[in-house]
Amino acid sequence: EVQLVESGGGVVHPGGSLRLSCAASGFTFSDHYMDWVRQRPGKGLEWLGRIRTKPNRYNTEYAASVRGRFTISRDDSSNSLFLQLNSLTTEDTAFYFCTRRGPNGPNDYWGQGTLVIVSS
Amino acid sequence: DVQLTQSPSFLSASVGDRVTSTCRASQGIRSYLAWYQQKPGKAPKLLIYAASTLQSGVPSRFSGSGSGTEFTLTISSLQPEDVATYYCQQINYYPVTFGGGTKVEI
Repeated sequence: EVQLVESGGGVVHPGGSLRLSCAASGFTFSDHYMDWVRQRPGKGLEWLGRIRTKPNRYNTEYAASVRGRFTISRDDSSNSLFLQLNSLTTEDTAFYFCTRRGPNGPNDYWGQGTLVIVSS
Repeated sequence: DVQLTQSPSFLSASVGDRVTSTCRASQGIRSYLAWYQQKPGKAPKLLIYAASTLQSGVPSRFSGSGSGTEFTLTISSLQPEDVATYYCQQINYYPVTFGGGTKVEI
């Protein structure tokens, strides 16, 4: 059974940093591109970025809203995905979801999300 | 960026009704469109990909159609468990983008 479990959320002050993790199991993690998507409370879904696989040089893509502030990385040896969040503002308060890019292109499995609250 | 405009943003219907959500893209995205269902407090669930292909395990009352710039999600006979918000997503261009959602209530 495919499972994605995020962790690392919490309360952080504006300007602060946080590192989110996603533990993957039930599939060959190293074979899949992985994405982060967020959802501000009561709002819609916002794609943040993607990390490719080793054969694709672990190249990344980012949404303009987070490029330069957020960094996606992965550790295939531990089946883990990461999201480093820097220079946080109140606009970054959201649930952050780890999601697998499936073989047909869209995101076929999602974690339950982890909540990040940016507040002074 | 490709903008996806979903309509309506909210709809209320009765059990057994046929309901439709439309997703319009600001530029052509071929058939690289997916639909997701999100229930309150839960993660999104993939329903349809490639505009019209049903994800494994999804009830056949859900269907998708369209290509280019106009797409439709249809629930042929609305059930109580279909109360949710439905999002479209384009994966033809970076950045990947989502529509604003259609909230379905009974």
